[in-house]
Amino acid sequence: GENVEQHPSTLSVQEGDSAVIKCTYSDSASNYFPWYKQELGKRPQLIIDIRSNVGEKKDQRIAVTLNKTAKHFSLHITETQPEDSAVYFCAARDSGGGADGLTFGKGTHLIIQP
Amino acid sequence: DAGVIQSPRHEVTEMGQEVTLRCKPISGHNSLFWYRQTMMRGLELLIYFNNNVPIDDSGMPEDRFSAKMPNASFSTLKIQPSEPRDSAVYFCASSATTGLAGGVRETQYFGPGTRLLVL
Repeated sequence: GENVEQHPSTLSVQEGDSAVIKCTYSDSASNYFPWYKQELGKRPQLIIDIRSNVGEKKDQRIAVTLNKTAKHFSLHITETQPEDSAVYFCAARDSGGGADGLTFGKGTHLIIQP
Repeated sequence: DAGVIQSPRHEVTEMGQEVTLRCKPISGHNSLFWYRQTMMRGLELLIYFNNNVPIDDSGMPEDRFSAKMPNASFSTLKIQPSEPRDSAVYFCASSATTGLAGGVRETQYFGPGTRLLVL
């Protein structure tokens, strides 16, 4: 099955700086890669996703890049703000083999220092 | 739309008791997923359904766990008997499948979760 590794586990950045979170996956058949943000005590919420036919996707301050050859994808947050503080999860899904469920990374606790 | 609805939001029970968690997916969504979240193991997929049919239950930890989806708007996850190591937050998520022959699987939306504590 799929295995997703996520780094770092904790990331502290100054407000206004950029944050980068990286993930690798093991199953070359995976073709959908969402990122979820989870605030303390809340549910995971999708912030951005990318499919394997695209190398990069951007939505305002958030961008995701995908390198299928190397089997890794990254989340980039620019101009970080205090409300960006949360745990971020990457995930991978193999939509080709009928395995619809997401395999999640262990999460990155992002701390924005004022 | 109310989003995915889960009940109860919190459950405290004693070891050996039966626990039933409930989920109502977003109307029109035909896929439903049960996840478990713990500090040690993170977010894990337990089981998912497509059109009310269980597709993959390989994540269900033991025979003590069972899940049903009797219709398109309701699912249950049951633990019998419960054990302290089952303490976790259990999330239900749903998604739609669109496109020709259902080939495009859309975003999964999570419910608020059930926080389970087994004493």
